[in-house]
Order: sequence, then C-alpha cells, then structure tokens
Amino acid sequence: DQQVKQNSPSLSVQEGRISILNCDYTNSMFDYFLWYKKYPAEGPTFLISISSIKDKNEDGRFTVFLNKSAKHLSLHIVPSQPGDSAVYFCAASDGGNKLVFGAGTILRVKS
Amino acid sequence: NAGVTQTPKFRVLKTGQSMTLLCAQDMNHEYMYWYRQDPGMGLRLIHYSVGEGTTAKGEVPDGYNVSRLKKQNFLLGLESAAPSQTSVYFCASQGLGYTFGSGTRLTVV
Repeated sequence: DQQVKQNSPSLSVQEGRISILNCDYTNSMFDYFLWYKKYPAEGPTFLISISSIKDKNEDGRFTVFLNKSAKHLSLHIVPSQPGDSAVYFCAASDGGNKLVFGAGTILRVKS
Repeated sequence: NAGVTQTPKFRVLKTGQSMTLLCAQDMNHEYMYWYRQDPGMGLRLIHYSVGEGTTAKGEVPDGYNVSRLKKQNFLLGLESAAPSQTSVYFCASQGLGYTFGSGTRLTVV
C-alpha cells in the first residue's frame, strides 16, 4: 500500500502559467516533506521541502503548501518555464533518515 | 565534481546471471541508499546503510544483496537476475539532504 500518492501521472501547462502538482500521504507520522525533480537520464535532485510545523515554504518560483489535516501537499510553480519540464517526485519522512517516494508526476511546460 | 557516481550506466543480463552495481560517493556521508524506479511505482528502497560495515533491508530487498566495506562505496548485488529486476537503479548518499547518482538502467532478458 503506497504511503505517498501522486495521483496525476502527468500534467501539461502553458509557459507562464501556474503548475500545481499534488501529493497525498496516509502515514500520520510523516513530519517532513520534500519535492525532487528528475530529468531524463539523470538522478533526482532536491527542489524544496517543508516541515510539518509550517504550512507554506517558498523558494523563488516554487512554493510548497502543506495541509496536515487533509494529509495533502502541493507544489506550485509560477511562472512555469519550459525548463521545468521533468518528473516531479513527492517524498516524506517520519523523522528517520529514510524517504518514502510517490510515483511521480510528469510535467510538460509548452512554449 | 563531488557527488555520487554509479557504474555501469547500462547493462543487459540474461536470466540467472549475476552482477554488481557500484555506487561511490566522495562527500564522506555515512548514510547510503539503493532505490529502484519502476513506472507507476516511484522510487522504492531496496537496501540502505548507516555507516561502513552496516547494511539494512528496505521495502523491496528480495533478490538483492549489498555490502559497505568502505565508507565511500555501496555495492548492490544480484546473485541470479530475474526479468522482474528490470528497472532503473539509483544510489543516494545523505548529508543534509539526499544526493542521487545518475542511475543504472538494467534489463534482464
């Protein structure tokens, strides 16, 4: 049973518009959440994270929102750029060192 | 460049053959991980290590063995490869965050 779920396998967005990637989790012990970005033939790279004591974290064009009561987090990219086209993985930790990853969402930003 | 290096990048095996995937990191990290990535499944943890000489099972350890004889190296072994082990394998080491290697694409025919 997947503890971290990304229910949208893919998302297509026009350049300049907002991209919203969603992630749901089932384990209430998760207290730290991360987003990773992956280009073809490369390993995932860290994008942004959020602790459960916050409900929002912002880094430039990227903002992550956390709704603990709904066990839901989302990544907003504004404005979206063609270089943002990649696979985005949501990941969660329960305070240990291991991360649990979602299945990923393929984002395509059209120019 | 500092980081995580995986070798080989590609490999095709016949069912029943064995092989070892090598992961090397030069960041002096204690924690290292092996994941596999499959379509629709995301990254699943195979084995991990919390330091030289230690290993532990992850979510999907069956059919794999690992060794961490040196701090900088984490080896993943397949003793008798099966088609179900066709996947992309990623190694990661952990400092403040995870640093991933570029992956090994393994096909078992």
